[in-house]
Formats: sequence, structure tokens, C-alpha cells
Amino acid sequence: RKEVEQDPGPFNVPEGATVAFNCTYSNSASQSFFWYRQDCRKEPKLLMSVYSSGNEDGRFTAQLNRASQYISLLIRDSKLSDSATYLCVVNNNNDMRFGAGTRLTVKP
Amino acid sequence: DAGITQSPRYKITETGRQVTLMCHQTWSHSYMFWYRQDLGHGLRLIYYSAAADITDKGEVPDGYVVSRSKTENFPLTLESATRSQTSVYFCASRYSGGETQYFGPGTRLLVL
Repeated sequence: RKEVEQDPGPFNVPEGATVAFNCTYSNSASQSFFWYRQDCRKEPKLLMSVYSSGNEDGRFTAQLNRASQYISLLIRDSKLSDSATYLCVVNNNNDMRFGAGTRLTVKP
Repeated sequence: DAGITQSPRYKITETGRQVTLMCHQTWSHSYMFWYRQDLGHGLRLIYYSAAADITDKGEVPDGYVVSRSKTENFPLTLESATRSQTSVYFCASRYSGGETQYFGPGTRLLVL
């Protein structure tokens, strides 16, 4: 079983839609959690950190449920520019474990 | 501000050859990392370094060697390349105590 599991998608949604991605992790000792975004043939870039209290950055909302070892990312009012692969990342003492990513395509 | 750079960006080599991938950062970040990215696996940590002359194994270190004689450079060497090492290699760095890793543009390596 992989340490970080994500639905690979692809998710194909129209502009303006709301889309949610889920991620589960197996190491209960994991300390910090992130969502990264990766455009095709580019490097990953930090989208946002994820906190137990939940956090929001504009149209993006991230949630963490430590008891269920579950992380989510919600994107509201999708834009064409949101098309990318979203990577769930779990960190335990510099050992960052990445999910394989969920691909999102936003269509006009 | 160059940030973090990798060279070469593309490399084709043959089985059994030694290959070195270079990573250079201009931020004086103490931590540096090497990952490989393969379809279906996501990024996997090969080696990381907390400071000059300090390196540690990651999830998939076999077949790779690293060194860090200077803070700004973190080369990754494949001593005898194998086809299974065909991948995209990303270098990353971060400040000590920081959470965000900043990635280089990647090196696409093909081993024939």
C-alpha cells in the first residue's frame, strides 16, 4: 500500500465548477501536510499548507482530518488556469512523501 | 535571482555509464533534496542533505551517490546507470526550519 494515496482522475470540469480532491495517508506520525501544484512538464510548486483547523486561500480550501488520516482540497469557481496536477504531500522529519497526483482539466 | 537550477536539463546515456546531475541554489538554503518522478509513483526521495557535508538516504537511494562540499551545490551521481533509472529528476531546497520546498526545473534522463 502506498503511503499517500490519491484518486488519479482525470477530473474534467467546466469553468466555474467546484471540484474536490481527496488524499489519504498511512503514517499516523506524519507532522505536516501540503498541496502542491504541478503543470505539465514543470516542477511542483507549493499551493498551500494544510492545517487541522482548515485553511483557505482565495478559491482554495484545504482540510485535514488527523483521526481519519485524510486530506482534502476544494477549488471553487474553477478557472482554465487551474488545469494542472495536484499533489498531496505528507511530511515526517524531512521525509516528504508525495501522492501520485490528481489531474484536473478545466474546460471552457 | 537564479534560484535553483539543474543541469543538464536533458540527458541520454547508456547502461553502465556514470552520470552526474547537477543542482545549484543561490538562496543559501541549508536543506537540499533529490527526487525522482515516475508515472504512477509520484515523487520519491532519493537523498537529502541538511547542510554541507551532511547527507542522508531517502526512500530510494540504491544506485545513487550524493555529495555536498558546498552549501549551494548538491550533485547526484548514478555510478553505473540502469534502465530502471530512466526518470525525471528534481532537485529541491528549503530554509532550515521552513516548510516550503522549492524545486528546480528537473532533468529528464533516458538510459538506453
